[in-house]
Amino acid sequence: SQKIEQNSEALNIQEGKTATLTCNYTNYSPAYLQWYRQDPGRGPVFLLLIRENEKEKRKERLKVTFDTTLKQSLFHITASQPADSATYLCALGSSGGGADGLTFGKGTHLIIQP
Amino acid sequence: EADIYQTPRYLVIGTGKKITLECSQTMGHDKMYWYQQDPGMELHLIHYSYGVNSTEKGDLSSESTVSRIRTEHFPLTLESARPSHTSQYLCASSGGRNIQYFGAGTRLSVL
Repeated sequence: SQKIEQNSEALNIQEGKTATLTCNYTNYSPAYLQWYRQDPGRGPVFLLLIRENEKEKRKERLKVTFDTTLKQSLFHITASQPADSATYLCALGSSGGGADGLTFGKGTHLIIQP
Repeated sequence: EADIYQTPRYLVIGTGKKITLECSQTMGHDKMYWYQQDPGMELHLIHYSYGVNSTEKGDLSSESTVSRIRTEHFPLTLESARPSHTSQYLCASSGGRNIQYFGAGTRLSVL
């Protein structure tokens, strides 16, 4: 069955450092991969989308890589700030057919220490 | 900020009651979704819609039902709530770029 794995334990990072989150998947050939941020008691908020033929995407302090051979995506936050503390969700999507409903990982809880 | 709204935000209700969770979006999106999320767990798709009069069941079996009579409105109904329905319910919509915009969610507790 399809499986998405994200760091199950909370990730503690010192303010100013780069936070790197990992998303691994099996039994899936996604057409694209997305990262969302979710704060407690709120719905996820879209951050970045990267397609299967793209290696890297950047947006301000965020960078995403996508390696379809390793079946892995890395999500980087540079110059991290306490306000970046949240749960970050990886989501896979397929092209064509279905509802384009995303398959989500459980998320990684990121804590940026001042 | 996404223009998608869910009401109520919190609902505590007794077993056997009928409930409807409301979801509205003002972005004109054709695709809408309902996800269920338990604390610390992943989101599971329970219903989706491609547009008006289109509804489909998602990957996770659910006793709830949905309707899509208007583009902007996608309510979810539980005919007879049970404690096993206690969860957070998230509504989302999507335009042409496969990006989903989520509401703030409804946290349901069935006693």
